[in-house]
Amino acid sequence: ILNVEQSPQSLHVQEGDSTNFTCSFPSSNFYALHWYRWETAKSPEALFVMTLNGDEKKKGRISATLNTKEGYSYLYIKGSQPEDSATYLCAPRRGYQKVTFGIGTKLQVIP
Amino acid sequence: DSGVTQTPKHLITATGQRVTLRCSPRSGDLSVYWYQQSLDQGLQFLIQYYNGEERAKGNILERFSAQQFPDLHSELNLSSLELGDSALYFCASSVEDRGSTDTQYFGPGTRLTVL
Repeated sequence: ILNVEQSPQSLHVQEGDSTNFTCSFPSSNFYALHWYRWETAKSPEALFVMTLNGDEKKKGRISATLNTKEGYSYLYIKGSQPEDSATYLCAPRRGYQKVTFGIGTKLQVIP
Repeated sequence: DSGVTQTPKHLITATGQRVTLRCSPRSGDLSVYWYQQSLDQGLQFLIQYYNGEERAKGNILERFSAQQFPDLHSELNLSSLELGDSALYFCASSVEDRGSTDTQYFGPGTRLTVL
C-alpha cells in the first residue's frame, strides 16, 4: 500500500484568492502521480497525470508541479472561483500495484 | 459525462441480502476498476479487471466478488450484506493497462443503502 498524505484536509478561500495544496507520497520506485477533481454529487474527473521529476502541468487556472525525489506534488489554483469548489484527490501509481487515493483536500471558494 | 455507465443509481436492501452492481466502461476501454466510498472515507480501491482478467486486488471483502465479461462490462456482487456495506460504489475505466499512467474515467456511482 502506498502511504499518501494530502494537506490541508480542507480549505476555505475568498473568490479571487490563489491557493495551493500538497500531496506527499513515498519517493522510492515512483512511476506517476494523478490529480483528480471531485465535485459534490458528481464523480471524480481526471486533471493531470505527471511522471517526470520537475514536471509541470497546466489547465486553465489550475497547475501542478511534481518533485519525485522528495515525494510531493503541489496543486495551484490561481484566482479561485466558486466553481473551483471541490475535493482534489491525488493518486500516486507504482506499476500494477493497487490504486491508492489520498483522502483529498476539500476546497470551498467563498463568493 | 465520462461515458462510463453504472446501474442501478440507487439500491436499498436489507441485511443478509445479495445485490449486483453493473458497470459498462467507455467504448474501447479494456480496464475496469471498482471503488467504495463510505461516509467520511476516501475512495477505497476494491478490484481491477483488464480484458476479462483480474489485474489488481485491493481491500475487497470475501463476501464481495467481481467479474468482467467478454463484452467488457463488469459486475460487482455483494453478498451477506451488512449495515456497514452502505456506501457509494464507483466504477471507473481506462483504455489500457499500462499501470501507472492510465487515466481513469469514473461512472456516476451506485448508492447502496443496507437497512
